[in-house]
Amino acid sequence: EVQLKESGPGLVQPSQTLSLTCTVSGFSLTDYSVHWVRQPPGKGLEWMGVMWSGGSTAYNSALKSRLSISRDTSKSQVFLKMNSLQTEDTAIYYCTRGGIFDYWGQGVMVTVSS
Amino acid sequence: DIQMTQSPASLSASLEEIVTITCQASQDIGNYLSWYQQKLGKSPQLLIHSATSLADGVPSRFSGSRSGTQYSLKINRLQVEDTGIYYCLQHYSAPRTFGGGTKLELK
Repeated sequence: EVQLKESGPGLVQPSQTLSLTCTVSGFSLTDYSVHWVRQPPGKGLEWMGVMWSGGSTAYNSALKSRLSISRDTSKSQVFLKMNSLQTEDTAIYYCTRGGIFDYWGQGVMVTVSS
Repeated sequence: DIQMTQSPASLSASLEEIVTITCQASQDIGNYLSWYQQKLGKSPQLLIHSATSLADGVPSRFSGSRSGTQYSLKINRLQVEDTGIYYCLQHYSAPRTFGGGTKLELK
């Protein structure tokens, strides 16, 4: 069974760094890409970036200077790190399996507040 | 970046009515278009992929079509459980881009 699960802190202080982990099961990270998508409260979906199956990455140009995505294939985990967080980064953060985003994690709510 | 213009932003329809939501791509994306339904407090769920292919377990009243760079999601005979927010996504190239969403309510 394919599953994705996000984990990380629910509260981050402004200007600090967000670190999230997406742990997957039921498929290999070397066969499928994993994307990060976020959704501010009451707003739409925003694509953040991707870890391709071959190990390279691509990012939303609006976030590129602050965002880094990496992985540990031995642990079936994909990591998101985003620095210089502001209140506008408050959102639910999802990881999802590419290419057609057929499976999603349950999401993790991240609040940026002092 | 490819822009996806989704319409309408909101829609109120009656039970058993036929509903259509559209997404216009800013350039050719072939059939690399998917549709998702999101219910309140839940993750998005795949409905349609490759513009016209029904995802596993999705009721047959949902269908997708394409005309050039315009894509449509049609719901035949709207049911109570179809309320929610619908999004399109182009997965032709990075950056991936979503439509702005359509909030579907029952009249």
